[in-house]
Amino acid sequence: DAGVIQSPRHEVTEMGQEVTLRCKPISGHDYLFWYRQTMMRGLELLIYFNNNVPIDDSGMPEDRFSAKMPNASFSTLKIQPSEPRDSAVYFCASSSVGNTIYFGEGSWLTVV
Amino acid sequence: AQSVAQPEDQVNVAEGNPLTVKCTYSVSGNPYLFWYVQYPNRGLQFLLKYITGDNLVKGSYGFEAEFNKSQTSFHLKKPSALVSDSALYFCAVRGPTSGTYKYIFGTGTRLKVLA
Repeated sequence: DAGVIQSPRHEVTEMGQEVTLRCKPISGHDYLFWYRQTMMRGLELLIYFNNNVPIDDSGMPEDRFSAKMPNASFSTLKIQPSEPRDSAVYFCASSSVGNTIYFGEGSWLTVV
Repeated sequence: AQSVAQPEDQVNVAEGNPLTVKCTYSVSGNPYLFWYVQYPNRGLQFLLKYITGDNLVKGSYGFEAEFNKSQTSFHLKKPSALVSDSALYFCAVRGPTSGTYKYIFGTGTRLKVLA
């Protein structure tokens, strides 16, 4: 199994630019999670989907952040416009019902 | 609301000695508990989980964890530490309540195994 695949692995962008992070979950998993990791705040759950439907987006920091899951094999997390405080590692993870969640390798975002 | 606490930011242990990384949790009902490990510049890797059954759970790389319901704890242990075990360890909890699948992670404990 290829595992959870995220792209890009590293992104450096200028403040104000749009950033799109992509995720391909493990085939057959019906839950998809987006987490953000920073030194100050640790690992935060931003949003999760079940069967492509957003279930809980209470962790999304503000309206500049949006996430979509158009089909079972693809999700995006978009930041528009980006700000330096958005610099973090963004992880996508997936699971099947009631089971272990598996993480991707993360997208390292730096906003300058 | 569910929560998990890792009281130690860092744990130092000599190679060959036993190690313990502490975790306590708060959740309504019976919890689903997990341990993950993160190496530098990598994603989180699953180590082990407790859902039901034997309180002592064995996982990857020789790690084990003991579920203690009365103390609401799920400490990670290993009988003999290796330098290669040095990493960041996360405890996570997921409530069993139907309709919620939020996995909440602790703040992480950095394990340093000294040669």
